[in-house]
This record gives sequence, C-alpha cells and structure tokens, in this order.
Amino acid sequence: AQKITQTQPGMFVQEKEAVTLDCTYDTSDPSYGLFWYKQPSSGEMIFLIYQGSYDQQNATEGRYSLNFQKARKSANLVISASQLGDSAMYFCAMRASYDKVIFGPGTSLSVIP
Amino acid sequence: DAGVTQSPTHLIKTRGQQVTLRCSPKSGHDTVSWYQQALGQGPQFIFQYYEEEERQRGNFPDRFSGHQFPNYSSELNVNALLLGDSALYLCASSLEGYRGQSYNEQFFGPGTRLTVL
Repeated sequence: AQKITQTQPGMFVQEKEAVTLDCTYDTSDPSYGLFWYKQPSSGEMIFLIYQGSYDQQNATEGRYSLNFQKARKSANLVISASQLGDSAMYFCAMRASYDKVIFGPGTSLSVIP
Repeated sequence: DAGVTQSPTHLIKTRGQQVTLRCSPKSGHDTVSWYQQALGQGPQFIFQYYEEEERQRGNFPDRFSGHQFPNYSSELNVNALLLGDSALYLCASSLEGYRGQSYNEQFFGPGTRLTVL
C-alpha cells in the first residue's frame, strides 16, 4: 500500500532562516512522482515543487528545494530565507504509475518576525 | 488564462439533502480530479474523470458520483448527505491523455466549503 508520512504537525521558523519539512513515503512501484503543495488559510492548494523517482538531481524552484533520498524513501522540503508569507500548511504528495495522488497529513509552518 | 474555477464557494445543507459542486478546469487540461479535505487533514482522492468517464476512484461510497462534460468541466454530486461530509471539496485539473500520465502537475481550484447541519 502506498503511504505518505509527515511527522511534524507544526513547525516554527524565524524570518530569513531556512527550514526543513519532513516527508517519508512508501510504495513498491519503482516509478513515481513526489510533490509538495502549500495551502494558505484561504484553502487553495499551490504547487511548489516536483521530484521524479528517476531524477538524478534534487529538484529546486527558487527558494524551494527537495532533499530526495531514494534509499531512505524521504523527500524533505527545504525553504530558504523564510518569509512571513510562507506561513501555511504544507502537504507532501505522491503518485505512482497511473495511480491516484495521495497526500500526507500536512505540516503547519509558522514564520516568526 | 483562467485557472481552475469552482462554484459555489460555500454551501450549507442539512442531513439527507443532495448537493452538486461544479468545476471548470484550466484551459487545455483534459482531466479533472476531485478531493475531499476534512478539517485538519490532507486531501483524500474521491475520483478522476477523463473523456467523460470515471477513470479512477478512491474509497468513497456510491453516494459520491460525478460527471464530466464535453468541455471538460465536471460536477461532483453527493446524495443523502451526512454530517461527516462536511469538508472542503477541491477540484484539480491536469493534462494527462488517454494513458493518464503520472507526473503532470495538478492545478487546484479554490475549493467549495460544504457544511452539513
């Protein structure tokens, strides 16, 4: 069975500091994609970054980078230079070949001025 | 280019009633997926529509049904509403084709918040 685990219900970070949000996954499919989404209090899910299981390099998108450790089945999100607008829920998600997308329970990030 | 739109924004119903939620996908997208997000939880996959047919389904009862129209827009219908159906319902669109490409980004709409009293 496929599963996403996010063990940090809530995180705090000082403005301008970096923060790492943890995500571990479980699948027996060798081909899959991993996603991170941000959900502000308004409710809309905003795509942040994607990593494919066969990608050799870690994905980066601006201040977001994904620390992909395939052997450990982890896909942690790193946000550099945190901003007040980064305060939101963050969801890790996975999709194996031609299967449905599954989401983790989320991590609430609060950026402190 | 309009993104994914959903209507209505908010809805209040009573137990036993039926509800229809609507979604218009991002221009150029052919696939619509629906998710239920209970308060404090991650989204749960309900089903996915492609070419007007349900292609995949999550663990939801038959009270949840859907439809996709020729213009790719979609509806989610929920019959015999229960208190536990209160949630944010998210629609996501993507361009996947007949094989259902795994790795295409899904674009989400703002959601419909359903409250069942």
